[in-house]
Amino acid sequence: EAQVTQNPRYLITVTGKKLTVTCSQNMNHEYMSWYRQDPGLGLRQIYYSMNVEVTDKGDVPEGYKVSRKEKRNFPLILESPSPNQTSLYFCASSQGQGRTDTQYFGPGTRLTVL
Amino acid sequence: GEDVEQSLFLSVREGDSSVINCTYTDSSSTYLYWYKQEPGAGLQLLTYIFSNMDMKQDQRLTVLLNKKDKHLSLRIADTQTGDSAIYFCAENSWGKFQFGAGTQVVVTP
Repeated sequence: EAQVTQNPRYLITVTGKKLTVTCSQNMNHEYMSWYRQDPGLGLRQIYYSMNVEVTDKGDVPEGYKVSRKEKRNFPLILESPSPNQTSLYFCASSQGQGRTDTQYFGPGTRLTVL
Repeated sequence: GEDVEQSLFLSVREGDSSVINCTYTDSSSTYLYWYKQEPGAGLQLLTYIFSNMDMKQDQRLTVLLNKKDKHLSLRIADTQTGDSAIYFCAENSWGKFQFGAGTQVVVTP
């Protein structure tokens, strides 16, 4: 089954404790992206990747890191999480740059930073 | 900077048409999208339109694009209870996506 998986689905952590949210897709997609969703703000793009070893900043990259060492995985790293990073996070992938290709979304990771 | 803007809420009777409006920011965006999000789920692509088009119809969905005003709309014909969801418009400039805040559509019997 074609899918994007994220782990963990739920996470409660404390300020300053490094964490990684994993994202994996099994569709051999070139394009992957991370978003955060906050009430009243919609989805805001954090980082995206057009292909292996190619990453670019979205609208809200501060406080986040990503890597794309292999095609299927695109982890999101919070080196020193802060309460303003409490949010619902989505990973997505598509074959191309998400133009006419359907962008497949993962189930979401709900992160709470205390 | 400018944002992709949508009205936040729309209530519609079952069987009527729904129209959701959006203004976007980047005249160089080549693709504009409508996504649907049901409770507890990720986003599902409903339809998209290329920026050199004025209109696109896909079954019950009609997308209208006014490039001069940077205005995008989604019309859902014969709205059903299963259409209750949050609808997001989005624009794509070379892989960088910008989404609106979403329009909550509630369909009443």
